[in-house]
Parts: sequence; structure tokens; C-alpha cells
Amino acid sequence: DTGVSQNPRHKITKRGQNVTFRCDPISEHNRLYWYRQTLGQGPEFLTYFQNEAQLEKSRLLSDRFSAERPKGSFSTLEIQRTEQGDSAMYLCASASGYEENQPQHFGDGTRLSIL
Amino acid sequence: AQTVTQSQPEMSVQEAETVTLSCTYDTSESDYYLFWYKQPPSRQMILVIRQEAYKQQNATENRFSVNFQKAAKSFSLKISDSQLGDAAMYFCAYRTTQGGSEKLVFGKGTKLTVNP
Repeated sequence: DTGVSQNPRHKITKRGQNVTFRCDPISEHNRLYWYRQTLGQGPEFLTYFQNEAQLEKSRLLSDRFSAERPKGSFSTLEIQRTEQGDSAMYLCASASGYEENQPQHFGDGTRLSIL
Repeated sequence: AQTVTQSQPEMSVQEAETVTLSCTYDTSESDYYLFWYKQPPSRQMILVIRQEAYKQQNATENRFSVNFQKAAKSFSLKISDSQLGDAAMYFCAYRTTQGGSEKLVFGKGTKLTVNP
């Protein structure tokens, strides 16, 4: 169990550029989540996958945001045409789906800074 | 929509003492899950303790325990024998059991400082 891995740890980009983050969940965890955390706030839910199916999306996930989990293993979160307001920590979490209410295990996050 | 409120932005405690962090939530549901997560500075968030709403018994995990008051919609975290390593942001979170939703709804957090 190597934990949830997120890359890169920090991304600095200019406004208007596209960025992509990667999340590798704990091995054999079939549930994967994305959250966004801004300074002084708790994490806010963005989206949830069970295997490769995206089952839940927050309205925070505007059409500039897209998440994929093509083979039910790693996931990517892409933000197109970044804006200043996208600056945040993007957290990924995973959970086992074999029992009810399995806890979500979080990664270290990717900090996005928009210049 | 469910909301979670943590009314204490910051708390401090002396090493070896006990501290209680407050959390209230708003929901019309009768069954749900509640969690406390800890986020040390520049480190990943980890689960501290969880409670199922249908269970009347308060959850405990070593030095961590909760006071779950369902009627009052209150879910406080008590940390006994505080240690320097307990210093972190603590987030209270809610999860529904309905509709297949998996999202956690977090409060804004309480920053806990442990003084030696």
C-alpha cells in the first residue's frame, strides 16, 4: 500500500493555459474522488468515479474541467483556459468499494498557481 | 443541501491536556456518516475517526473520541492527552447514505495548536 499518488506536486502556469493533473489511487481501490481546496476552506467535492464510470459531478465542475479514468486505475483532471480563480490545491482520494462506508484516503494534492 | 459548520477557526491546547473541537451540521436525513479528518501542515489529510448516524454509541479511536448528539446535529471531537504531533487542521465532514452519493461535505476546519 503505497498511498494515493498525485503529480505534479505544484504547477505554475499562466492564465489561459491548459493544465492536467494525474492521480494514482491505492492499488485495487475502485473508487476515486477529486476535491478542490482553497486557502482557509475545507475541500470541496468535484467528481467521483467507480472504476472507469464517472458517477457523480459537482456543479463546481464547469465545462472547462474534465476528468477521466479510462481504465479504472489512474485518473486525470484537466482544466482548460485556466483562470485566476482556479488557483487551489486539487486533492485526489480513493476508497475500496468492497464494504460500505470505506474511508477515503487522500493524496498530497497538486497545488495550482495561476499567474 | 447539507452543510457543516466548524465555529472555531483556531484552538490551542497544552501538551497532555484535553481539547474539544466543535462541529454542527444541517441535514434532513436520518441516516448518514460523519468523519473527522486531520491535515498536518503540508501533509496529506488522514482520517481520524468516523461515526455512523444509526449507531448511538460514540466512536473512539485511542486518544480520540466523539460526542455525537443526533438531535442537536452536533459532532464534537475530543482529543485526550494532546501531543505535539496532534497539531494540524481538523476538518469535520458529512456523507449521505442516499442516492448513491459518495461526496464528503467538509467544514472550514479548525486549526489546532499544541503548546509544549
